[in-house]
Amino acid sequence: AQSVTQLGSHVSVSEGALVLLRCNYSSSVPPYLFWYVQYPNQGLQLLLKYTTGATLVKGINGFEAEFKKSETSFHLTKPSAHMSDAAEYFCAVSEGNAGNMLTFGGGTRLMVKP
Amino acid sequence: DVKVTQSSRYLVKRTGEKVFLECVQDMDHENMFWYRQDPGLGLRLIYFSYDVKMKEKGDIPEGYSVSREKKERFSLILESASTNQTSMYLCASSPGVSGTDEQFFGPGTRLTVL
Repeated sequence: AQSVTQLGSHVSVSEGALVLLRCNYSSSVPPYLFWYVQYPNQGLQLLLKYTTGATLVKGINGFEAEFKKSETSFHLTKPSAHMSDAAEYFCAVSEGNAGNMLTFGGGTRLMVKP
Repeated sequence: DVKVTQSSRYLVKRTGEKVFLECVQDMDHENMFWYRQDPGLGLRLIYFSYDVKMKEKGDIPEGYSVSREKKERFSLILESASTNQTSMYLCASSPGVSGTDEQFFGPGTRLTVL
């Protein structure tokens, strides 16, 4: 069975500061990993995903994440936070089954202070 | 752009009522999913469907059923609503071509059961 842990349900940063949202997973097979973002009163949208190949993945809005197999981690970063980044972020893992099922972490709410 | 729509943004029902939540996608996707979202628990899969009239239980199917009579439409049914089913419900779809497919989400329905 696969699982996802997001350390920190709330993270607060100042505008212009580094954003680091942590995600650790467990999976019995090489995983596919996703980060989704949810803005207030909206559904989720994909930020980035790792499938195979380069372990540093770039996504939309300046976000990137690095797959580290030895640490079973897929942390999300952005060099400089913007007010518009305030949202809830979800890490998810898939084992690549035909049903494309995802297992989600508990989410991290990012707050950006002016 | 893929569009996933849900019939209501907000819904208030009474305990014991039968509740229908409707989801429609316009991109001919094979897979459709229903999740519930609760603070700190992330998204949990209720049911998914990989073809018309086909359904599979997710992690928390108790108290719910689903129907998929047409490819574009996936309904979630609460046979007898209870207060512990007060939650945000999210529908998603994915192409079903690959296990690495992105899921596309609707805006969600916030259901309150009194």
